[in-house]
Amino acid sequence: DQQVKQNSPSLSVQEGRISILNCDYTNSMFDYFLWYKKYPAEGPTFLISISSIKDKNEDGRFTVFLNKSAKHLSLHIVPSQPGDSAVYFCAASATDSWGKLQFGAGTQVVVTP
Amino acid sequence: GAVVSQHPSRVICKSGTSVKIECRSLDFQATTMFWYRQFPKQSLMLMATSNEGSKATYEQGVEKDKFLINHASLTLSTLTVTSAHPEDSSFYICSAQRGSDTDTQYFGPGTRLTVL
Repeated sequence: DQQVKQNSPSLSVQEGRISILNCDYTNSMFDYFLWYKKYPAEGPTFLISISSIKDKNEDGRFTVFLNKSAKHLSLHIVPSQPGDSAVYFCAASATDSWGKLQFGAGTQVVVTP
Repeated sequence: GAVVSQHPSRVICKSGTSVKIECRSLDFQATTMFWYRQFPKQSLMLMATSNEGSKATYEQGVEKDKFLINHASLTLSTLTVTSAHPEDSSFYICSAQRGSDTDTQYFGPGTRLTVL
C-alpha cells in the first residue's frame, strides 16, 4: 500500500510565481520528511527536509510545511524559476528504519516563462 | 555533493538471462546502500538495504533469490537480476548513505532494464 502520496502528477506555474507541491502520508511512525528533485536521466537530489518536531523549515526559495495532525506536508518554491522544472518527490522515514525511505509518486513541475 | 554512479545506464537482455547492475560511491565510503525500483509514473519502491560485509535486508514481497545483492566493499554494491523476465523490466536506482543522517543519502542516475 502506498504510504506516501502525491496526488498531483503535474503542476504548471509561471516564472516568478509560487509553486506549491503537496504530499500526504498515512504512517504515523514517520518522523522525518524529505523532498527530492529529479531531472531526466539523473538520480534524485536532496532538496530540503523537516523533522516532525517542527512545522516549518526554510532554505532559500524552498520552504517545507508540515501538518502532523493532517499527515500532510507541502513544498513551496518562491519565486519559481525555469531551472526548477523537474519531478519532485516527497519521501518519509521513521527513526527506527535506518535510513529507509518511502517515496511518493512524484509531481512533474513545469515553470513557464 | 557526493557522487554515486550506476553501470550500465541501460541494458536490454533476453528473457532467462541474468543482469548485473553496479552502484558505486565515487568520493565517499558507504556502509549502507539501498536499491529501489521505479515503474512508470509510480514512486520509487525500496527493494532492499545493502550493508557492507553482511547480507542484504529485503523488503516484503521482494524475492531475495531473484534479486541478488552483494556489497563487497564500502564503495560498491551490485544487484543481479537472475533469470530475468519481461515483468522485471523497470528502472532501478541505488542510493548510498554517507554518515548516519538520512539527508546524506545520495542517489545514482538509475539503470533502465528491458527484458525481451
